[in-house]
Amino acid sequence: QKEVEQDPGPLSVPEGAIVSLNCTYSNSAFQYFMWYRQYSRKGPELLMYTYSSGNKEDGRFTAQVDKSSKYISLFIRDSQPSDSATYLCAMRNTNAGKSTFGDGTTLTVKP
Amino acid sequence: NAGVTQTPKFQVLKTGQSMTLQCAQDMNHNSMYWYRQDPGMGLRLIYYSASEGTTDKGEVPNGYNVSRLNKREFSLRLESAAPSQTSVYFCASSAVGSRSSYNEQFFGPGTRLTVL
Repeated sequence: QKEVEQDPGPLSVPEGAIVSLNCTYSNSAFQYFMWYRQYSRKGPELLMYTYSSGNKEDGRFTAQVDKSSKYISLFIRDSQPSDSATYLCAMRNTNAGKSTFGDGTTLTVKP
Repeated sequence: NAGVTQTPKFQVLKTGQSMTLQCAQDMNHNSMYWYRQDPGMGLRLIYYSASEGTTDKGEVPNGYNVSRLNKREFSLRLESAAPSQTSVYFCASSAVGSRSSYNEQFFGPGTRLTVL
């Protein structure tokens, strides 16, 4: 079983919808949780970062971590066609350690 | 700043051929990484270098070697390419040990490799 499991998708939603992207993990030592966005034929770029449990909001994006359930989510409000991309969750034990990535969820937002 | 650059962007090899993928970063980062990305399999770590002069195996190191030439450059070598190594290869770097609070990895644009 993989350490990090991500909802596989693909996901297709109409413009303006609320999107929920989710990952579960098995390693209780993970403390740092990230979401990367990857546009087609580009490298991933960091979108959101959260340390330990709780919520973090940045504009239309909210990252949520529930360590008790080993579950993290990324919510996108008022989704836009420009949000169409693959979203990868990533996590690690320490600030200096290697990150373990989920397989990614491909999102398409239709105008 | 160019960030993380990778060469070449595309490459087609025959089985058994060798090649080196080049990566350079101009952000003075300590750590560098090589990943491969296959459809539906996310990013898998091949090798990483926590600092200049050190390298360690990642999740899928077989068939690859790396060299951390200096702080800026980290190369990945395929000695005898196999069709199973057809993939997109990403190099990344991060500023571990600096004041960065979250060790963000910055990725290059990728190298698309096909092995026939």
